[in-house]
Order: sequence, then structure tokens, then C-alpha cells
Amino acid sequence: AQSVTQLGSHVSVSEGALVLLRCNYSSSVPPYLFWYVQYPNQGLQLLLKYTSAATLVKGINGFEAEFKKSETSFHLTKPSAHMSDAAEYFCAVSESNYGQNFVFGPGTRLSVLP
Amino acid sequence: DGGITQSPKYLFRKEGQNVTLSCEQNLNHDAMYWYRQDPGQGLRLIYYSQIVNDFQKGDIAEGYSVSREKKESFPLTVTSAQKNPTAFYLCASRIGQAGNTIYFGEGSWLTVV
Repeated sequence: AQSVTQLGSHVSVSEGALVLLRCNYSSSVPPYLFWYVQYPNQGLQLLLKYTSAATLVKGINGFEAEFKKSETSFHLTKPSAHMSDAAEYFCAVSESNYGQNFVFGPGTRLSVLP
Repeated sequence: DGGITQSPKYLFRKEGQNVTLSCEQNLNHDAMYWYRQDPGQGLRLIYYSQIVNDFQKGDIAEGYSVSREKKESFPLTVTSAQKNPTAFYLCASRIGQAGNTIYFGEGSWLTVV
């Protein structure tokens, strides 16, 4: 069965500092991996997704994530945090053989300090 | 514009009442989903539907019901059997194949008064 863990329910960084949000997954088949962002009282928006075309995936708002099969990880990074990046971030996995469902991680709340 | 529309955005319910949350999509997506999100918590799947006239229970279906009579519509009814219904409800949809992105509506807040 597929599952997702996100290390750290809350991460704080200073404006301009590196953002690193961690995501590890388990899957019995090659997975599809996603990062979503949620601003308060809104739905989730897609940041980026991995579909096996390239291990380093670039997304919107300067975010990128690297798929590492050996580590079963898909960590999200951004070189320089901006105040507008403060939000909840969710990692998700969808197995290639089972298309009817997504599994979301518990989420990481990112705070950006001035 | 194409997208997923949820209504109402805010809804108040008296104890013992059923309420229905609307979800409409014009993306021509096959699969639709309902998630529940409690403050500071992740998403929990309530129901999902792969095709018209078919739907499956998710992890927390008790106290909820759905219908899928049309491809574009997937309403969620929160029944009086749901003991703690106050939450943020998210509707989502996607083309029903593995690897395709799931898209979300803006969500609906339900509060029991």
C-alpha cells in the first residue's frame, strides 16, 4: 500500500533563506509524486509533479523537487523564501496501477519570518 | 473558465439537520472526490467516484452520502448521523488515470450551531 510521510508539521525560515520541506513515500510500484500548496481557507493548488520524465522537477513560484528512488524521497526546495510562501504544503503519491485514489501526507506548515 | 465550483462557501447547520454541499466541474473529468479537512490537519477521503452512477467509500464515509447522476456533479450530503461535522470540505476531480493531476475546488466551511 502506498503512504506518505512529511517530516516536520511546522517549519520556520527567515525571508531569503533556503526552504526545505521533506517528503518520503512508500509504494510497491513506480509512483507518481506531487506537491500541493494550500493558502488559508482555500483549496489545494498544484506546485509540481513527478512522472518519471526527469528526477529534478521544477514547479511554480520557484519551487523544485528531486525524486530519489534509493531514498524514497521527494523533498521540496526553494533557494530563497518569500513572505508569500507562507502556507501549508502537502506531498501526495499516486501509484501507477491504481488510478482511483491519491494518498496525501499530513502536511507541513511553512512560516516565513521577516 | 474551466474549474471546480463548490457552494456554499460557508454553511451553518443546526444539530439534527442534513445539509448538502454542491460540487460542479466543467473540466470533463471522470473521477471526483470529497475530502474533509479539520483545522491543522491533513486531508481525509470521504467518498470518490470514478464514473457516473458509481461511487466508493473512502476512509471516513460514515455519516455522509453522495450521488453521481451526472459527470459534472458530485454533491455531498452531511447527515445528522455525522456526530462531528464541523470542518472544511474539499471537492476535487481528475481524469481517471494514474499519474494525472487532481484539481481542487475552493472548499466549503460547515459549522454546526
